[in-house]
Amino acid sequence: DAGVIQSPRHEVTEMGQEVTLRCKPISGHNSLFWYRQTMMRGLELLIYFNNNVPIDDSGMPEDRFSAKMPNASFSTLKIQPSEPRDSAVYFCASSLAGGPEGGYTFGSGTRLTVV
Amino acid sequence: AQSVTQPDIHITVSEGASLELRCNYSYGATPYLFWYVQSPGQGLQLLLKYFSGDTLVQGIKGFEAEFKRSQSSFNLRKPSVHWSDAAEYFCAVGSGTYKYIFGTGTRLKVLA
Repeated sequence: DAGVIQSPRHEVTEMGQEVTLRCKPISGHNSLFWYRQTMMRGLELLIYFNNNVPIDDSGMPEDRFSAKMPNASFSTLKIQPSEPRDSAVYFCASSLAGGPEGGYTFGSGTRLTVV
Repeated sequence: AQSVTQPDIHITVSEGASLELRCNYSYGATPYLFWYVQSPGQGLQLLLKYFSGDTLVQGIKGFEAEFKRSQSSFNLRKPSVHWSDAAEYFCAVGSGTYKYIFGTGTRLKVLA
């Protein structure tokens, strides 16, 4: 099993540009999560999908952020337009149960730097 | 309010010494408790979890944790630390839904 795969590993972009982060969850997992990690705020849940349907997007910071899951094996997190305060490490995680019982499997993250 | 506190931001131990990382939580319902480890440049890896039953749980890499309801604690322990254990450790609490609350992490340094 290749685990949760995120791309790119690093992204440097200029303020105002569109950024798209990608995630491939573990095959067979039915839940997918996007987290953001910063020194100031720690780990924050941005959005949760269950069976490809967004269930909770209350953690999405603002309308500049959007996430999609067109099928069970792929999800994207898009920021448009990007701002320097969006600089963070973005993690994707997947699980089978949709709840914490089984724990989550995290990807290695995308380090985003907006200059 | 629901919260998780890891009071130690940094901990330094010598290789071969024992380790205890502290985690305290405030949670209204019966908590599901977790410890994750994050190596530099990597995602979080689940070390162990507690839902119910035996309050002493064993995890991977020789780690264990003990749930103490009276103290609202879920401390992580390892009897003999290896240099490869240097990483950041996160405690998290959930309630049977998908939402975790993560602590701010404890960074472990291991001296040779």
